[in-house]
Amino acid sequence: EAGVAQSPRYKIIEKRQSVAFWCNPISGHATLYWYQQILGQGPKLLIQFQNNGVVDDSQLPKDRFSAERLKGVDSTLKIQPAKLEDSAVYLCASIRAGGRAGELFFGEGSRLTVL
Amino acid sequence: KNEVEQSPQNLTAQEGEFITINCSYSVGISALHWLQQHPGGGIVSLFMLSSGKKKHGRLIATINIQEKHSSLHITASHPRDSAVYICAGNTGNQFYFGTGTSLTVIP
Repeated sequence: EAGVAQSPRYKIIEKRQSVAFWCNPISGHATLYWYQQILGQGPKLLIQFQNNGVVDDSQLPKDRFSAERLKGVDSTLKIQPAKLEDSAVYLCASIRAGGRAGELFFGEGSRLTVL
Repeated sequence: KNEVEQSPQNLTAQEGEFITINCSYSVGISALHWLQQHPGGGIVSLFMLSSGKKKHGRLIATINIQEKHSSLHITASHPRDSAVYICAGNTGNQFYFGTGTSLTVIP
């Protein structure tokens, strides 16, 4: 079984530029999460999808962050324009069942550095 | 206050030592997860438990539902165990994460 795929692994941009991260969850996993992890902290939820619908985006800075999962499979997280404080690892995770939570599978993460 | 608290934040041990990382939570959860994150790497699930105790190799996880407390034990620690260990609880599809315990095992 292939794991959660993320790209790019690393990205360095100047502030005010834009960046996009891509995630392909494990096949059949209905629930997909995007987390932001700042060094020394635990993952912070940005957005949760159930198939192609948004379940929770309460902590997503919507003035600059956007995410979509149009066909209920892979997802894209975009930041525009980036700020210095957006430097972090962006983690994508998925779980199997829609109604019951099981084991959480993470991708390798996309490390963003904003200069 | 975070819904999930871990201690210690940082831990340094000599190779071969027995290690314990603690986790307490303040919300009702369906299951408790222990996750491992190596430097520069992704997060890997070690255990998911809702009661009792689970063992995998040198790793043991326990949970006390009444006390809302879980522990992760590593027996005969090895330098390759050096990583950040994260405790997380879930209610349905909502997850609450601790801030992690950074473990360094010295040869």
